[in-house]
Amino acid sequence: GAGVSQTPSNKVTEKGKYVELRCDPISGHTALYWYRQSLGQGPEFLIYFQGTGAADDSGLPNDRFFAVRPEGSVSTLKIQRTERGDSAVYLCASSPTGTSSSGANVLTFGAGSRLTVL
Amino acid sequence: AQTVTQSQPEMSVQEAETVTLSCTYDTSESNYYLFWYKQPPSRQMILVIRQEAYKQQNATENRFSVNFQKAAKSFSLKISDSQLGDTAMYFCAFIAYSGAGSYQLTFGKGTKLSVIP
Repeated sequence: GAGVSQTPSNKVTEKGKYVELRCDPISGHTALYWYRQSLGQGPEFLIYFQGTGAADDSGLPNDRFFAVRPEGSVSTLKIQRTERGDSAVYLCASSPTGTSSSGANVLTFGAGSRLTVL
Repeated sequence: AQTVTQSQPEMSVQEAETVTLSCTYDTSESNYYLFWYKQPPSRQMILVIRQEAYKQQNATENRFSVNFQKAAKSFSLKISDSQLGDTAMYFCAFIAYSGAGSYQLTFGKGTKLSVIP
């Protein structure tokens, strides 16, 4: 697609429920990133995919969070047993390649999924 | 660890005037890039400008320019001829390239800019 698409735009759920957030990156972009932005804060890194594999998942806060990218395009962020502290905007970004020493790979962001856990 | 600090939580500027947003960062890497992103109420992060650390010349993009002071680890954004559409959150961000490559943008907490008619 022309841009990074994220669905749903907004999600309200109850504490303890399971949630999936979807990201459709720009066609052809091999690198995909998830960030979490809490109210009043800058985005914080969660996980990075290069192709189908998670090259770095060091930002995932705990084992309730998991992400997949089975075919190297669409990615799903999965949150189990949601807690009120998980409420945030979850941003997805993609770039043509993930790493480069010869030029910055500019990330293109989606509009995010706002998750509210009641 | 790499950190990015934006010391101005909020700023305002009159339409058509000039405003400067501050950013400092901390890193031990020598090869890195700096960015300013704009986030309007629509939530989508939009790249405003970027600077390669190895380039001494300050980047410019139309009304946007940076003052990159590498020794001081400072990277400020100047917006000239401010327009109402510039009203947004502005985030300074940093990415370092080490031998293993890099993939994590580190963001500051942001500065909320309001352009007043």
